[in-house]
Amino acid sequence: GAGVSQSPSNKVTEKGKDVELRCDPISGHTALYWYRQRLGQGLEFLIYFQGNSAPDKSGLPSDRFSAERTGESVSTLTIQRTQQEDSAVYLCASSLMSSAETQYFGPGTRLLVL
Amino acid sequence: DQQVKQNSPSLSVQEGRISILNCDYTNSMFDYFLWYKKYPAEGPTFLISISSIKDKNEDGRFTVFLNKSAKHLSLHIVPSQPGDSAVYFCAASVGGGADGLTFGKGTHLIIQP
Repeated sequence: GAGVSQSPSNKVTEKGKDVELRCDPISGHTALYWYRQRLGQGLEFLIYFQGNSAPDKSGLPSDRFSAERTGESVSTLTIQRTQQEDSAVYLCASSLMSSAETQYFGPGTRLLVL
Repeated sequence: DQQVKQNSPSLSVQEGRISILNCDYTNSMFDYFLWYKKYPAEGPTFLISISSIKDKNEDGRFTVFLNKSAKHLSLHIVPSQPGDSAVYFCAASVGGGADGLTFGKGTHLIIQP
């Protein structure tokens, strides 16, 4: 496809379970970002991958959150032992370079933790 | 502490009129500002940006104004069209990079026919 895709589009889980969210960036985009948007809030930066450099994890809210990226392709965001406050839309974006203007967002994964 | 603030959660404007969306920031280090538009069930899309060396940037019906002394920017849409109904996010960065981009909470713009 031409755009950033994310799966699943919706995920309902029970508190305490682990979840894995997937992002397929635009082919050739070296930079990949994860954001979280909780209800009524703006987008919160979580983590940033650029090429083969060490990821910028400064936005991850706790050690229950982790993310991996295979080369310059797919990324997975894992949330362990989910809590109700993790309920949010998780958005992935990719860009050819690191400039904000060239960033393309996926449709997001809506996560609900019961 | 919110560094980028959009104090109006929603705004209703009649079709054909001007829509003005406001955004305030607190971090003096921000030197690049962007507006994004978001439809339901879609990711945000980049709309227009402005660097701190400018006070105005125009792109068709969209104009962004920056008042550095007041740490305030606004997005003007004129004339407003039904397809403009969406949530608009203001965002700020240092140096124009996407890493560390800080977003406001968004304003839901509703264009009335």
